[in-house]
Amino acid sequence: AQTVTQSQPEMSVQEAETVTLSCTYDTSESNYYLFWYKQPPSRQMILVIRQEAYKQQNATENRFSVNFQKAAKSFSLKISDSQLGDTAMYFCAFMSYSGNTGKLIFGQGTTLQVKP
Amino acid sequence: DTGVSQDPRHKITKRGQNVTFRCDPISEHNRLYWYRQTLGQGPEFLTYFQNEAQLEKSRLLSDRFSAERPKGSFSTLEIQRTEQGDSAMYLCASSPAAGGGTEAFFGQGTRLTVV
Repeated sequence: AQTVTQSQPEMSVQEAETVTLSCTYDTSESNYYLFWYKQPPSRQMILVIRQEAYKQQNATENRFSVNFQKAAKSFSLKISDSQLGDTAMYFCAFMSYSGNTGKLIFGQGTTLQVKP
Repeated sequence: DTGVSQDPRHKITKRGQNVTFRCDPISEHNRLYWYRQTLGQGPEFLTYFQNEAQLEKSRLLSDRFSAERPKGSFSTLEIQRTEQGDSAMYLCASSPAAGGGTEAFFGQGTRLTVV
């Protein structure tokens, strides 16, 4: 069974600075997707960034980038130039290719506070 | 269509009562998922539909839980004989099957409190 672990329950960062959120996962599969989702207070979860395991290049989306280390089963999220609107709970998630179900397995989440 | 819609947003019920939640997915999405999220935790998969067919159910989904998607459009999740342990946020998500359904769009959730 796959598992996702986020070892940082809470983090804070000053506005305009950079922060990195950690995620490790466990799987015996070689093909899968990894995601970071953002859940702002009282709002719906939205996709931040997606990485396909077969791609060596790290995904980037504007101020958000990942460091994907397949051998180490590590998938960290870097937020550059942090903004107040980045305050949210962030979830790392795993999706298997196998079965093509689209089912997500989430970590426990990291609450990020961006301070002015 | 502005996204995934869930109703109600909040529900308080007495232990032992039945509750039903509704999810309206994005109209062109044929996959629909239900997740449960307890306070401070990540969402846990409950079940998913492709069109009207329920293709997978988690072991978390006890026999008190039932989900339907009768015409492949909206879905309902019913909890019978609610227990305090059922208190959680129930999230619905939808995705297109094309591309492996790798982008799931979530609703705002229904927060259930069992007293």
